[in-house]
Amino acid sequence: GENVEQHPSTLSVQEGDSAVIKCTYSDSASNYFPWYKQELGKGPQLIIDIRSNVGEKKDQRIAVTLNKTAKHFSLHITETQPEDSAVYFCAAFDNYGQNFVFGPGTRLSVLP
Amino acid sequence: DTGVSQNPRHKITKRGQNVTFRCDPISEHNRLYWYRQTLGQGPEFLTYFQNEAQLEKSRLLSDRFSAERPKGSFSTLEIQRTEQGDSAMYLCASSAGLGGSQPQHFGDGTRLSIL
Repeated sequence: GENVEQHPSTLSVQEGDSAVIKCTYSDSASNYFPWYKQELGKGPQLIIDIRSNVGEKKDQRIAVTLNKTAKHFSLHITETQPEDSAVYFCAAFDNYGQNFVFGPGTRLSVLP
Repeated sequence: DTGVSQNPRHKITKRGQNVTFRCDPISEHNRLYWYRQTLGQGPEFLTYFQNEAQLEKSRLLSDRFSAERPKGSFSTLEIQRTEQGDSAMYLCASSAGLGGSQPQHFGDGTRLSIL
């Protein structure tokens, strides 16, 4: 089955700096890679996603890159703000509905 | 509010009791998923429905866990004879379209505490 690893587990940055979170996956059948932000007491919120036929996607301050050959994908947040502080999860899904696997999460703290 | 709704938000029960959680998905979404999330971990997939059909249930944690979606709208997750290890957040998500490669939108979960 699919295995998703995520690094780092915790990340502290100064406000205005960039943050990068990296994930690797094992199953080449995975073809959809969403990123979620989870705040305390809330469910995960989808912030950006990428499909396996695309190498990069950007939405304002957030971008995701995918390297299918190496089986890794990364989340990039630029100009970080205190409200970006949360736990971020990457995930790998496959179209056949057999794998919906999340990484263990990265706790991001943006220091003012 | 047109998001995924889960009830109750919190459930406290004694070991050995049965509990049932309800999930109301986004109205036009035909897929509904259940996950379990323990402290400090990512969501762990349990089962999913496409309309009223349960297409994957081998990941349910034991035969004490069961889920239904009788009319293809809301769903219930039941845990029988609860154990201490069942304490966790139970999350529901829904998605539109066919296939697994679709954005899933989560509710805020039901937190289960077993005394």
